[in-house]
Amino acid sequence: AQSVTQPDIHITVSEGASLELRCNYSYGATPYLFWYVQSPGQGLQLLLKYFSGDTLVQGIKGFEAEFKRSQSSFNLRKPSVHWSDAAEYFCAVVNFNNAGNMLTFGGGTRLMVKP
Amino acid sequence: SAVISQKPSRDICQRGTSLTIQCQVDSQVTMMFWYRQQPGQSLTLIATANQGSEATYESGFVIDKFPISRPNLTFSTLTVSNLSPEDSSIYLCSVGTGNGYTFGSGTRLTVV
Repeated sequence: AQSVTQPDIHITVSEGASLELRCNYSYGATPYLFWYVQSPGQGLQLLLKYFSGDTLVQGIKGFEAEFKRSQSSFNLRKPSVHWSDAAEYFCAVVNFNNAGNMLTFGGGTRLMVKP
Repeated sequence: SAVISQKPSRDICQRGTSLTIQCQVDSQVTMMFWYRQQPGQSLTLIATANQGSEATYESGFVIDKFPISRPNLTFSTLTVSNLSPEDSSIYLCSVGTGNGYTFGSGTRLTVV
């Protein structure tokens, strides 16, 4: 089954600094990949997704992610972090099986932003 | 994309009781997914619910504990039965659309 790994459990960056959150996937073919954000007490919001085509994907709130097949990665980036970006970030991959095409989530990365 | 209304948003329940969570989608969807998010953890799939058939449960989840109803293409319920403090979690429903996946706002369950 497909899986994703987020190596960093916590990341702290200063406001205005750049950000990169790592995501590695395990899948033989081209995966369908997503990044979601969950603010405290809030639901999941889709930041961006990759299905095929251009490997650099633009999302909402100034986020982007790059699909790199050679590294099995789909890292999330933002050039300048805002305090409101403090949240939990989840990478996810679609698992295709007979029961349905469901999302499998990574363990999440908690982002803290220093003033 | 689809919009999901999930109820209740939160509840506090006594041990041994049950809680039923409802998800209403504003369009017809073939499959609905139920997830659990334990405190400080990621999301884990409980089951996949198809209209007109029994739900398919993931390893570690059983129908007696998490019975699921899927009476039509826009609605589903998840019941968490015989509650214990370990069931305190956020429960979310989700649907797949052509553009990705949409999630309900979640139900925060606290068992006391």
